[in-house]
Amino acid sequence: AQSVTQLGSHVSVSEGALVLLRCNYSSSVPPYLFWYVQYPNQGLQLLLKYTTGATLVKGINGFEAEFKKSETSFHLTKPSAHMSDAAEYFCAVSEGTSGSRLTFGEGTQLTVNP
Amino acid sequence: EAGVAQSPRYKIIEKRQSVAFWCNPISGHATLYWYQQILGQGPKLLIQFQNNGVVDDSQLPKDRFSAERLKGVDSTLKIQPAKLEDSAVYLCASSLVGSNYGYTFGSGTRLTVV
Repeated sequence: AQSVTQLGSHVSVSEGALVLLRCNYSSSVPPYLFWYVQYPNQGLQLLLKYTTGATLVKGINGFEAEFKKSETSFHLTKPSAHMSDAAEYFCAVSEGTSGSRLTFGEGTQLTVNP
Repeated sequence: EAGVAQSPRYKIIEKRQSVAFWCNPISGHATLYWYQQILGQGPKLLIQFQNNGVVDDSQLPKDRFSAERLKGVDSTLKIQPAKLEDSAVYLCASSLVGSNYGYTFGSGTRLTVV
């Protein structure tokens, strides 16, 4: 069985500050890992994904995440927050090449203060 | 390319009534998913189709929920009868093959049961 834990349901940063959203996963097989962003009244948009290869993954809007197998983590970062980054962020895991369903975390609401 | 289309965007019904949601995936996407997202939680898979066959419906409350994907293209999700706890956003997503490439989500249908 697979699961995702997102530490901190709410994160608040100042504009221009570092954004760090934490995600830890549990998977019985090598995982595929994803970060999605959800703006109000919209569906989920894929930010980035890790499947195989390089453990540092770059995504859209300046976000990146690093897969750390030893820590079972896939934290999302952005060097400088922008007001438009305010949204809800979801980490998700799938069981690799089996193509099975995505299991999502409970989400982290990011607030960016001017 | 056109995105995943869902309708209606919003629906308000009384408990014990029935309701249906429609989803048209991205052309060529063989895999289609229905997720339920309760306010403040991450999306949870209800059912996964591969073409017109069901791959995973283990989390679908079959006493009241049903879904079909005729001809392997668009899909409908039905609830009959609805309960108050069914109030949620119902998200449809599609992907090329399984979840490895990340899903594309529709904007969702927000259901309120009163």
